[in-house]
Amino acid sequence: SQTIHQWPATLVQPVGSPLSLECTVEGTSNPNLYWYRQAAGRGLQLLFYSVGIGQISSEVPQNLSASRPQDRQFILSSKKLLLSDSGFYLCAWVGVSSYNEQFFGPGTRLTVL
Amino acid sequence: AQTVTQSQPEMSVQEAETVTLSCTYDTSESDYYLFWYKQPPSRQMILVIRQEAYKQQNATENRFSVNFQKAAKSFSLKISDSQLGDAAMYFCVYTGNQFYFGTGTSLTVIP
Repeated sequence: SQTIHQWPATLVQPVGSPLSLECTVEGTSNPNLYWYRQAAGRGLQLLFYSVGIGQISSEVPQNLSASRPQDRQFILSSKKLLLSDSGFYLCAWVGVSSYNEQFFGPGTRLTVL
Repeated sequence: AQTVTQSQPEMSVQEAETVTLSCTYDTSESDYYLFWYKQPPSRQMILVIRQEAYKQQNATENRFSVNFQKAAKSFSLKISDSQLGDAAMYFCVYTGNQFYFGTGTSLTVIP
């Protein structure tokens, strides 16, 4: 069966520090991968998506970046965090035959101080 | 561009009663999927129900059912026999070439 992991689960970082959030998927090949951010009590904002290794599409211009070094690994990064980067970050994947259903990871709660 | 509108930011329902959450969407595509996801306090996103646009029959999953009106671009979720565990944020999601989330409806279940 397919599973999706995200780590860390919780992170507290100072303003100006770097960031690296990791997402990995097991049990499937060549998934489409997505990074979302959710502010408290709000909906989801799509940040990046990837249809293959090294292929990244950005939906929102910001100081974040994403990379996909391996088929089932998706990384969200920043060189210098801003206060506005605080939020709940969700990774999701869609398989070839999953009827466009997105499967979400458990999320990472990021607080920038 | 496709948009998804959930006009009810908050809803409440008495335990064991029925509640309907509204969702409308805008699209020019003919082939797409619609979903309702649930996000409980744990913040894990959980699929509730899925509807394929080419299917006229409304999807049903146990106590959850949808009223899909393709011409009206409406996709409401009905929760029957509401339980305390149904309390969560509910998101309506459209997907064609991209994924579009509504802003969510916070459902409170009153014991």
